[in-house]
Amino acid sequence: SQQGEEDPQALSIQEGENATMNCSYKTSINNLQWYRQNSGRGLVHLILIRSNEREKHSGRLRVTLDTSKKSSSLLITASRAADTASYFCATGLNAGGTSYGKLTFGQGTILTVHP
Amino acid sequence: DGGITQSPKYLFRKEGQNVTLSCEQNLNHDAMYWYRQDPGQGLRLIYYSQIVNDFQKGDIAEGYSVSREKKESFPLTVTSAQKNPTAFYLCASRIRQGWVEKLFFGSGTQLSVL
Repeated sequence: SQQGEEDPQALSIQEGENATMNCSYKTSINNLQWYRQNSGRGLVHLILIRSNEREKHSGRLRVTLDTSKKSSSLLITASRAADTASYFCATGLNAGGTSYGKLTFGQGTILTVHP
Repeated sequence: DGGITQSPKYLFRKEGQNVTLSCEQNLNHDAMYWYRQDPGQGLRLIYYSQIVNDFQKGDIAEGYSVSREKKESFPLTVTSAQKNPTAFYLCASRIRQGWVEKLFFGSGTQLSVL
């Protein structure tokens, strides 16, 4: 079963607005990552947040992690039409303190940014 | 340019046929992965390899096989036992340096059944 579940499944906004996507997971994690996928292409890594971190920034991206609620959010500020893509969260599981690199992906949020 | 190359981009399989998807990386990464993506869904792990000559089953390995004879190459064979092979297949490799960890993905192979 999928570890991560994203919400909403689809999000449509105007250029300049902020976009917020949420991810929930079920078990203890080592880290949580966000990836972006343009249609018909591979995924591109955006940002990683460790289980002992609560917030992280990278450019127009802001990620939060609440391990007590087993949830994360990705905020894209001042969105652009080029941000149109699918966004996936992926969780790295805690396996005896060693990460084996096995990421479990959610079903993704399809973001459409209208010019 | 360093990266991951998947080929072919599109592949068609006849019933009862085995087909092999190629994945090559020049990033010098030890770990490599194969994921399957169905329309509107997330990625599911098929197989992964932490090191040459070693690989483990993922969540949906039935009907698939892999080999890892070279560090650069991790081909995936979709066998005739896989009854629903139509999907987008993604290969990835992993970099891990201390707390920095992420996957690099190829551009994918779309497999369809004739």
